[in-house]
Amino acid sequence: DVKVTQSSRYLVKRTGEKVFLECVQDMDHENMFWYRQDPGLGLRLIYFSYDVKMKEKGDIPEGYSVSREKKERFSLILESASTNQTSMYLCASRVSTGNYEQYFGPGTRLTVT
Amino acid sequence: AQSVTQLDSHVSVSEGTPVLLRCNYSSSYSPSLFWYVQHPNKGLQLLLKYTSAATLVKGINGFEAEFKKSETSFHLTKPSAHMSDAAEYFCVVSDRGGYNKLIFGAGTRLAVHP
Repeated sequence: DVKVTQSSRYLVKRTGEKVFLECVQDMDHENMFWYRQDPGLGLRLIYFSYDVKMKEKGDIPEGYSVSREKKERFSLILESASTNQTSMYLCASRVSTGNYEQYFGPGTRLTVT
Repeated sequence: AQSVTQLDSHVSVSEGTPVLLRCNYSSSYSPSLFWYVQHPNKGLQLLLKYTSAATLVKGINGFEAEFKKSETSFHLTKPSAHMSDAAEYFCVVSDRGGYNKLIFGAGTRLAVHP
């Protein structure tokens, strides 16, 4: 079974803090994705990576950055957390750029106070 | 540009009755379409996908969806709801413009009553 894990299920941070969300997949997938999920908005793509050290902006990259130094790990970074970044963050991975299934982690619910 | 509209934000059914979750899409290409399910406090799981083969697609847990190009629809159905079907369901289209990114609908929350 493909497994995508995220470092924390729940996280509480203060405004202005630097926040790291980590995602690890164990199936040697090339592509990895970060989404945020908000009620009534579905999932929105923040950033994705199609290979190691490669990244592409998604639909809502402002206020976020990413890092992919190893194939199995994809990190989302909030340089200076703000209250409007309070959300559920979901990581996913996929085998290639074809129309293949994305496998999702359990999510990290981040609260910024 | 591709987009997805889920026509109902909430659907409530009784156990044992049929389920219908409606989805319309907009796509410049021949689309790939998916339904994902998210149970409370869980990640998303793929229910089924359409990738230009048979228009009636069968998925896990008794769900199926029919691709209707003339209506630009991809509705999800199940003949008989079970309590364990209560979850949030997302209709998704693949953006063939580049990297096959997924574009999600806003979601439909399904409640199943005894």
